[in-house]
Amino acid sequence: DARVTQTPRHKVTEMGQEVTMRCQPILGHNTVFWYRQTMMQGLELLAYFRNRAPLDDSGMPKDRFSAEMPDATLATLKIQPSEPRDSAVYFCASGLPSAGGPPNQPQHFGDGTRLSIL
Amino acid sequence: QKEVEQNSGPLSVPEGAIASLNCTYSDRGSQSFFWYRQYSGKSPELIMFIYSNGDKEDGRFTAQLNKASQYVSLLIRDSQPSDSATYLCAVKGYGQNFVFGPGTRLSVLP
Repeated sequence: DARVTQTPRHKVTEMGQEVTMRCQPILGHNTVFWYRQTMMQGLELLAYFRNRAPLDDSGMPKDRFSAEMPDATLATLKIQPSEPRDSAVYFCASGLPSAGGPPNQPQHFGDGTRLSIL
Repeated sequence: QKEVEQNSGPLSVPEGAIASLNCTYSDRGSQSFFWYRQYSGKSPELIMFIYSNGDKEDGRFTAQLNKASQYVSLLIRDSQPSDSATYLCAVKGYGQNFVFGPGTRLSVLP
């Protein structure tokens, strides 16, 4: 059963430290999404890649967050420096392109990285 | 700004009843509609998607779409305690990003 794999599952670190979260999308999926979920804000889209190119990162604080896709099997989300308000669950999701098929394909989520910044 | 709205709940229904979850969206250009279920502490999982007006049935789940009213719903027949979760509605237009609603918390009482 194909799955989106995220590492680490949990991360606790002190304010000011760099945090790197990794995601391996489902093989063959060429769209990758990064979300952040908190009780207050719900699920927020941070960044969106298609064919490894960033298409939309308007939801991401540019001064401290960066998202990359060095190859088709790895997406990364970095926070530097981290702040307590970054504490949340970060989800990666992947999906198929929609060309030639139904209007838009659904997303498949990883298990998330639970991040706590002290 | 594109918005997706859901009642936060909790929506409580007795076991065996029909649970009805509703979602409205603001962008008339939206083309695809998804329902995700999220158990506490877990990731969202896709349970239904619908592209065309009308009903789509999958087991105990039925998704209903009315584009004129900008309304999509999810019906869960014969609700079970294991259906207790938060249900997220997601909407997408062609070339647009997914927009998720805040979710409705469903509680099925034994």
